[in-house]
Amino acid sequence: QKEVEQNSGPLSVPEGAIASLNCTYSDRGSQSFFWYRQYSGKSPELIMSIYSNGDKEDGRFTAQLNKASQYVSLLIRDSQPSDSATYLCAVAYGGATNKLIFGTGTLLAVQP
Amino acid sequence: DVKVTQSSRYLVKRTGEKVFLECVQDMDHENMFWYRQDPGLGLRLIYFSYDVKMKEKGDIPEGYSVSREKKERFSLILESASTNQTSMYLCASILSGGTYEQYFGPGTRLTVT
Repeated sequence: QKEVEQNSGPLSVPEGAIASLNCTYSDRGSQSFFWYRQYSGKSPELIMSIYSNGDKEDGRFTAQLNKASQYVSLLIRDSQPSDSATYLCAVAYGGATNKLIFGTGTLLAVQP
Repeated sequence: DVKVTQSSRYLVKRTGEKVFLECVQDMDHENMFWYRQDPGLGLRLIYFSYDVKMKEKGDIPEGYSVSREKKERFSLILESASTNQTSMYLCASILSGGTYEQYFGPGTRLTVT
């Protein structure tokens, strides 16, 4: 059974701080990893993708991947109240099915 | 920009009704997906399609069927709606052989009474 695990939170951080969101996955063959942001009542929005070990930065967001330890994380620098949302980690199945497994998400609350 | 649209944002149906949810994407994507999302259970895959008229069951296909007659359109059908199918339904699409990046439509909040 392929699984993606996230702490459900809520993770509460003050405005301007760094928010750190973590995700572990069970399928060692996974090669593609994604972070989605989902505001309440809205659909998920892709914010980061990462395919290689190490860090990938995009503005205030940094995705980190460690395949040996089977975890992926998302750092949000200078957190803003508008970052308050649920963050979903998603991992691609190995092979050519193009299917993703989603974690249940971490609720982030940025306090002004 | 990728655009995925869904036929309704909110829908209220009665138990036993046949329900059609439609999804359209404008980026010539081969692969399309239907999920449902429930609190505490996350996103669960109902069905997906990797080409016109081709479909595969996801993790929770019971009570649902799908249709893909044109590349841009993927329909989810609830043959006889039940109250336990009250949920948020999300459609997504992706380029085949690409980066696995899935793009979601706005979702349909279905309530079955």
